[in-house]
Amino acid sequence: DQQVKQNSPSLSVQEGRISILNCDYTNSMFDYFLWYKKYPAEGPTFLISISSIKDKNEDGRFTVFLNKSAKHLSLHIVPSQPGDSAVYFCAAKNQAGTALIFGKGTTLSVSS
Amino acid sequence: EAQVTQNPRYLITVTGKKLTVTCSQNMNHEYMSWYRQDPGLGLRQIYYSMNVEVTDKGDVPEGYKVSRKEKRNFPLILESPSPNQTSLYFCASSYTGGSYGYTFGSGTRLTVV
Repeated sequence: DQQVKQNSPSLSVQEGRISILNCDYTNSMFDYFLWYKKYPAEGPTFLISISSIKDKNEDGRFTVFLNKSAKHLSLHIVPSQPGDSAVYFCAAKNQAGTALIFGKGTTLSVSS
Repeated sequence: EAQVTQNPRYLITVTGKKLTVTCSQNMNHEYMSWYRQDPGLGLRQIYYSMNVEVTDKGDVPEGYKVSRKEKRNFPLILESPSPNQTSLYFCASSYTGGSYGYTFGSGTRLTVV
């Protein structure tokens, strides 16, 4: 059973607008969440993370929001740029600290 | 440059022919792990290692072996590859088991025919 879910396989936005990528999780014991970005023919690269003691974390154009009661997190990219076009993976650290559990990914396309 | 290096990048092999995918990191990370990425399934953990000589199974370990004799190296061994092991493989490393972002290698695209 999938513990981390990204229900939107793809998202298309225009340059300059906001991109919102969503992620849901089922295990309330997860306490650390991360977003990774992946370009074709490259490995995933770490983007931003958030601890469960926070509800928001910002890094430049990227902001992650965490709603623990809803078991939901989202990644906001403002403003979106064509170079942001990539696959975005949501991940949660497992309780033992031995793995990151990944969602299936959302492909973001930003058009100019 | 801090990096995780995987080799080879691409490999086509035949069923049953043993192969090894190498992984090396230059960041003195204790933790290393192997993931496979398949369409519609995301990234799934195969094996991980918390430190030298300490390895354990992830979610999909069947058909794979690993070893961690040195801190920097974590090879993935397929003793008898089968077509269902055709996949994109990623090696990752971290100072701890996920509390900080993993650094991933560039991937190995394996095809077993």
